[in-house]
Amino acid sequence: QITLKESGPTLVKPSQTLTLTCTVSGFSLSSNSVAVGWLRQAPGKAPEWLALIYWKDDKRYSPSLQSRLTITKDSSNNQVVLTVTNMGPEDTGTYYCAHKSQTVGYYLVFFDYWGPGIRVTVSS
Amino acid sequence: DIQVTQSPSTLSASVGDRVNITCRASESISSWLAWYQQKPGKAPEVLIYKTSRLHSGVPSRFSGSGSGTEFTLTISSLQPDDFATYYCQQYQSYSWTFGQGTKVDIK
Repeated sequence: QITLKESGPTLVKPSQTLTLTCTVSGFSLSSNSVAVGWLRQAPGKAPEWLALIYWKDDKRYSPSLQSRLTITKDSSNNQVVLTVTNMGPEDTGTYYCAHKSQTVGYYLVFFDYWGPGIRVTVSS
Repeated sequence: DIQVTQSPSTLSASVGDRVNITCRASESISSWLAWYQQKPGKAPEVLIYKTSRLHSGVPSRFSGSGSGTEFTLTISSLQPDDFATYYCQQYQSYSWTFGQGTKVDIK
């Protein structure tokens, strides 16, 4: 049974760096074809994909946010970490980590299991 | 980036109605489209992938069709549990993008 769960701060101040951790179970982050992504959803808006990391440590970032994002993984602890620098009010929303479906190829990415999400507010 | 546009934004329907939601891509995405359902306060859940393939456990009243740039999600007979927001997502091209959503509410 695949599960994911996000953890981290729920309130950050403008200009601070956000660090979120996704703890996974039911699969290994080092297994062939596995990938985990981060997405976010502003209130009342559609989900937005942010970053993705593959089992072999290949990484992909949203072009519009690439300069502010870093994704890493710790396979031994079953964790994927996202950092977002220079947080602003527009970064307020719910952040999700999600498992990339393994039914499709390397660059074909949709998400078949999601964590419950963590709501992050940016405010002084 | 490939843009995806859904219509309508809101849809009012009754239990038992047949419902269609459309997703249009700004360029051809072949069949690389997924549909998600999201209920308030919950994460999205995938319903359909590769345009028409039902994800495990999804009721057969959900179906998908289309190719290229135009796609449709159909709910053949709307059930009380189906009142939710639906999103399409293209995965033909990095970066992977979502439509703006269609809220299905009770007429």
